[in-house]
Amino acid sequence: ETGVTQTPRHLVMGMTNKKSLKCEQHLGHNAMYWYKQSAKKPLELMFVYSLEERVENNSVPSRFSPECPNSSHLFLHLHTLQPEDSALYLCASSQDLLRDSGTDTQYFGPGTRLTVL
Amino acid sequence: GQNIDQPTEMTATEGAIVQINCTYQTSGFNGLFWYQQHAGEAPTFLSYNVLDGLEEKGRFSSFLSRSKGYSYLLLKELQMKDSASYLCAVRDSNYQLIWGAGTKLIIKP
Repeated sequence: ETGVTQTPRHLVMGMTNKKSLKCEQHLGHNAMYWYKQSAKKPLELMFVYSLEERVENNSVPSRFSPECPNSSHLFLHLHTLQPEDSALYLCASSQDLLRDSGTDTQYFGPGTRLTVL
Repeated sequence: GQNIDQPTEMTATEGAIVQINCTYQTSGFNGLFWYQQHAGEAPTFLSYNVLDGLEEKGRFSSFLSRSKGYSYLLLKELQMKDSASYLCAVRDSNYQLIWGAGTKLIIKP
């Protein structure tokens, strides 16, 4: 039990659809992250939020749009995706931003397996 | 560029010992993490090293040599449930986490 939940767990969408991924953390953390995990590739950091403010956007295409309405919730809005966007999308949280902490670790959700047809 | 290298896949026998290596080239160093990820599940934190030497935690140990840019994760008394991917990640001078692609460990009876 990691304290980070993600819905849906699986999503299949066409290239013209609009969908949203949801992440919720029950740990009282201040920082939240979106990652993309493709097979046999390193985790790719997409977005970082600290206290609901976006602090990092790692050159992610605009078809991915994050939203952080409060420190417990994080969304990833998807529109006009491409087949190469098919991957596991992981949400994570940490007490504070890693640059502000020592041994602080990230806690991950189980991910949403996204397939774009 | 920054790079983390770890073997793609390893196979070991139940009850045995296995060592998973990780080498890194990063802009600075502020700690190294190991995570375990079972298929279809969330990565979970295993260990953190920031100083040279061995950190032991039950059946799992992690070693770091900063001068060599090298770490390993040692798993003893392997159990079938240890079948998973093991992710190595380094925090660089900007406190960014640089991730390896993971090592898939297969345990055979």
